[in-house]
Amino acid sequence: QTVVTQEPSFSVSPGGTVTLTCGLSSGSVSTSYYPSWYQQTPGQAPRTLIYSTNTRSSGVPDRFSGSILGNKAALTITGAQADDESDYYCVLYMGSGISNWVFGGGTKLTVL
Amino acid sequence: QVQLQESGPGLVKPSQTLSLTCTVSGGSISSGGYYWSWIRQHPGKGLEWIGYIYYSGSTYYNPSLKSRVTISVDTSKNQFSLKLSSVTAADTAVYYCARSDPIWYYFDYWGQGTLVTVSS
Repeated sequence: QTVVTQEPSFSVSPGGTVTLTCGLSSGSVSTSYYPSWYQQTPGQAPRTLIYSTNTRSSGVPDRFSGSILGNKAALTITGAQADDESDYYCVLYMGSGISNWVFGGGTKLTVL
Repeated sequence: QVQLQESGPGLVKPSQTLSLTCTVSGGSISSGGYYWSWIRQHPGKGLEWIGYIYYSGSTYYNPSLKSRVTISVDTSKNQFSLKLSSVTAADTAVYYCARSDPIWYYFDYWGQGTLVTVSS
């Protein structure tokens, strides 16, 4: 069974830069998995940040960026702000008829 | 602006069938071009994709839930629905409906979510 891995938690100082990653229990993440990233605050629905590795969704500030770093997808937040404190989820597309989409377990980001 | 809204019972008894409906506004399911998904989130946990339907009725389900899941569409009402049979406490979760982009393979619009508790 495919497992998508994320750091359980991360912390960043206000104004700092943080990179969250999204990997596979077996194998490497590539653009072929169309990695996407979502931000979720408690009690709210996820908000789409990044799709297809590095394309920002409408209205998302440019301090959020996506990339492939080594064998993982990555979400970088530059100039972190207090309201960036959220859970961040990556999703990988596994292909039609397989598992389609598999979510990572999420990273809880603390800004302090 | 596309909006999605889940509706359905918030409490379901064990062994019964969970039924939810997602009403779409600001866009037509029958115009095609998108998949319509259900996603759930167990309390305090991560997200899990359940399955999707296309306006034509074609469906794909998460293999781990496939034996218990049925997703259907009613284009006349611009709605799609989820049925999950033989529920247990492990199915207690917030259920989201979402629109899925079939080109870039991501979820671009989400409903607000609805909590379904399985309990006698």
